[in-house]
Amino acid sequence: SQKIEQNSEALNIQEGKTATLTCNYTNYSPAYLQWYRQDPGRGPVFLLLIRENEKEKRKERLKVTFDTTLKQSLFHITASQPADSATYLCALANTNAGKSTFGDGTTLTVKP
Amino acid sequence: EPEVTQTPSHQVTQMGQEVILRCVPISNHLYFYWYRQILGQKVEFLVSFYNNEISEKSEIFDDQFSVERPDGSNFTLKIRSTKLEDSAMYFCASSDPVGGRTSRNTGELFFGEGSRLTVL
Repeated sequence: SQKIEQNSEALNIQEGKTATLTCNYTNYSPAYLQWYRQDPGRGPVFLLLIRENEKEKRKERLKVTFDTTLKQSLFHITASQPADSATYLCALANTNAGKSTFGDGTTLTVKP
Repeated sequence: EPEVTQTPSHQVTQMGQEVILRCVPISNHLYFYWYRQILGQKVEFLVSFYNNEISEKSEIFDDQFSVERPDGSNFTLKIRSTKLEDSAMYFCASSDPVGGRTSRNTGELFFGEGSRLTVL
């Protein structure tokens, strides 16, 4: 069955450092991989999407890589700030209109 | 900025009762979804809806669940006879993969803030 693993339930880093979150998947060949941010008690908020034929995507301090051979995506937040503290979710989809399958999430805490 | 709105924010009900959760997706979006998140667990897909019919549903979405788009703006999730294990946060989402309003054609999901359902 399809499985998505986001390494590290929790990640603690110092302000200003780069946070790197990992999303690994098995038994799946997604066409799209998305990253969302979720704050406690709130709905997920879309951050970035990367397609299977793309290696890397950037948006401001965020960078996503997608390696379909390793079946892995890395999500980087550079120059991290305490306001970046949240749970980050990886989600995979076969089409841009079909269901998305979410990982468990990684809770990032950025300490001042 | 356009947003998905959901009501109620919290509903408490007795086991066996019917519940209707309401959502107003972003205007002009084409695809609508319900997801749920049991406390401390992952976000799980329930159902997707396009062109006034279900396009895909998960194993969770059994005969006790139904969705409807009764008019041009609302999208509802009905649970016919609630069970204890239906207690969760229910998220509505919409997307606009053909570009339209956002012209980005990314298929990103726009989530509402959720309706917390507590079944006693």
